[in-house]
Amino acid sequence: GAVVSQHPSRVICKSGTSVKIECRSLDFQATTMFWYRQFPKKSLMLMATSNEGSKATYEQGVEKDKFLINHASLTLSTLTVTSAHPEDSSFYICSARDGAGGPDTQYFGPGTRLTVL
Amino acid sequence: AQTVTQSQPEMSVQEAETVTLSCTYDTSENNYYLFWYKQPPSRQMILVIRQEAYKQQNATENRFSVNFQKAAKSFSLKISDSQLGDTAMYFCAFMKRSGGGADGLTFGKGTHLIIQP
Repeated sequence: GAVVSQHPSRVICKSGTSVKIECRSLDFQATTMFWYRQFPKKSLMLMATSNEGSKATYEQGVEKDKFLINHASLTLSTLTVTSAHPEDSSFYICSARDGAGGPDTQYFGPGTRLTVL
Repeated sequence: AQTVTQSQPEMSVQEAETVTLSCTYDTSENNYYLFWYKQPPSRQMILVIRQEAYKQQNATENRFSVNFQKAAKSFSLKISDSQLGDTAMYFCAFMKRSGGGADGLTFGKGTHLIIQP
């Protein structure tokens, strides 16, 4: 099946710094990638939709200047948490749509645990 | 907007038993997909099964099957001959089907399934 990787798997940073998370589709081209956030023992909440070569679409309540998304190629999307604060600590998961397989399947990365001190 | 409701926060069954996880959803859309994802302790999201709303036949994948009742907006997951490796969080998810594009997933709150030896 389709494989999606994320890097790093864990990151600890100081408050006020920026952190970049990479999401890669390893064996397929992903025209669309999605970023989700998951709080402890909670469900996944969609943050934004990332389309290759265009601006990301953010869900209501998600600050686009806080969570910068870049989808520069068909296999890579990045999420940058700018000026991170402790309340940004969370588990961030990306998914990628396999365009060749139709619009109905998203494959998930293993997630990135962000801790902001 | 759509909502997904999973009313069972936790369930526990004996190995080899059959268990059914419930999911209801609310939407005004007519074309959509429904999914069950499994999230084991590793937190990797794994697709268990998917259902196209326009198909009346219930989807089946080996020991996993769904009971899709479109009029009732119900989408339950049945796991037969449960195994210890089935222990995980199970999320029901909804995705609107929109032309050639792709939409993000709306998740339920999840059901923690524990398979007892």
